[in-house]
Amino acid sequence: EVQLVESGGGLIQPGGSLRLSCAASGFTVSSNYMSWVRQAPGKGLEWVSIIYSGGSTYYADSVKGRFTISRDSAKNTLYLQMNSLRAEDTAVYYCAKDGDSGTRFDYWGQGTLVTVSS
Amino acid sequence: AIQMTQSPSSLSASVGDRVTITCRASQGIRNDLGWYQQKPGKAPKLLIYTASSLQSGVPSRFSGSGSGTDFTLTISSLQPEDFATYYCLQDYNYPWTFGQGTKVEIK
Repeated sequence: EVQLVESGGGLIQPGGSLRLSCAASGFTVSSNYMSWVRQAPGKGLEWVSIIYSGGSTYYADSVKGRFTISRDSAKNTLYLQMNSLRAEDTAVYYCAKDGDSGTRFDYWGQGTLVTVSS
Repeated sequence: AIQMTQSPSSLSASVGDRVTITCRASQGIRNDLGWYQQKPGKAPKLLIYTASSLQSGVPSRFSGSGSGTDFTLTISSLQPEDFATYYCLQDYNYPWTFGQGTKVEIK
């Protein structure tokens, strides 16, 4: 059974750093396209970043240069390193995997809340 | 970035109603579009991929259509468990962008 479990969220001051983790089971993270999607409180969904099975990465303009997506094959875990955090980064962060044949985001984690505030 | 405009932003409907939600892209995106359902406090759920393909396990009352710039999600007979917010997503090019969402409420 596919499972995605995020962790690492919390309260952080503006300018601070945080690393989110997404522990996967039931499939191999490094063999799939994996993304982070976020949702500010009471707002819509925003795609944040993707890492391809081959290792290529892409980012939303709003986080480019501040966030880094990565993975650890041994731990079967996806990460999002977030630096220079701003109040507008406050959101629930979801990790999601792609399936086959164009099935974008066929499985999602439960989300982890990041609050950027002084 | 490609803008995805969903309409309506909200609607009220009754059980058994046929519901249609549209999504318009600011430029052509072929059929690189998906539809997601989200209930309060939960992660989104994939309903439709590549504009018209039904995700495994999703009831057949959900259908998608469209290509290029105009897309539609249809629920043929609304059920109590379908009251939720629906989002479209274009993955034609980066940055991928979601529509602003359509909240389907009980009339």
